[in-house]
Amino acid sequence: QSALTQPPSASGSPGQSVTISCTGASDDVGGYNYVSWYQQHPGKAPKLMIYDVSQRPSGVPDRFSGSKSGNTASLIVSGLQAEDEADYYCSSYANSRVIFGGGTQLTVL
Amino acid sequence: EVQLVESGGGLVKPGGSLRLSCAASGFIFSEYSMNWVRQAPGKGLEWVSSITHNSNYKDYADAVKGRFTVSKDSAKNSLYLQMNSLRDEDTGVYFCARARGNDWYSDYWGQGTLVTVSS
Repeated sequence: QSALTQPPSASGSPGQSVTISCTGASDDVGGYNYVSWYQQHPGKAPKLMIYDVSQRPSGVPDRFSGSKSGNTASLIVSGLQAEDEADYYCSSYANSRVIFGGGTQLTVL
Repeated sequence: EVQLVESGGGLVKPGGSLRLSCAASGFIFSEYSMNWVRQAPGKGLEWVSSITHNSNYKDYADAVKGRFTVSKDSAKNSLYLQMNSLRDEDTGVYFCARARGNDWYSDYWGQGTLVTVSS
């Protein structure tokens, strides 16, 4: 199973919206509604931001949302804030296994 | 409050073995599946292994299959990863995480333990 494809970097100014894509295949992202997104600040553990494509865990701001079309999932961060600057990883279930994307470094300008 | 605390990392020579532990608290450990995820220095996340709540099913990434063994002791609220025949490329921070849903997404993570494989 190959890693999911994410852009290495993304950026936006405070208050703007940013979309991070995650492209897989028909037997992972496209085959299941089982995409999750994680935020990781330097030196810290990852934090779950979105699960099952678009579900937000309790405590995650509603500025974070997720969607999927075909083999590509997206994380949308609206109303960017300084604390959103971090690495973001997508993940998909694939035939009883889990695969991650390579990660996207989000910079708040 | 859910807490996961990994231990057992360290420096080991190629070909050596190490056993990682993950102490869980704040939830009913016997009712949850668990994941191990690792991160090589400066690199992204990589799924290593998953185990169901009752240990009836375990799965491994191809990169570690046959060398790593995951286990779970609900009496001790602990998750383990026995790592044998270690290679340089196994170097990284190993996180344990609580797994949820049919797709094993990780809703809580430990802080990780560093494994360094080097001669």
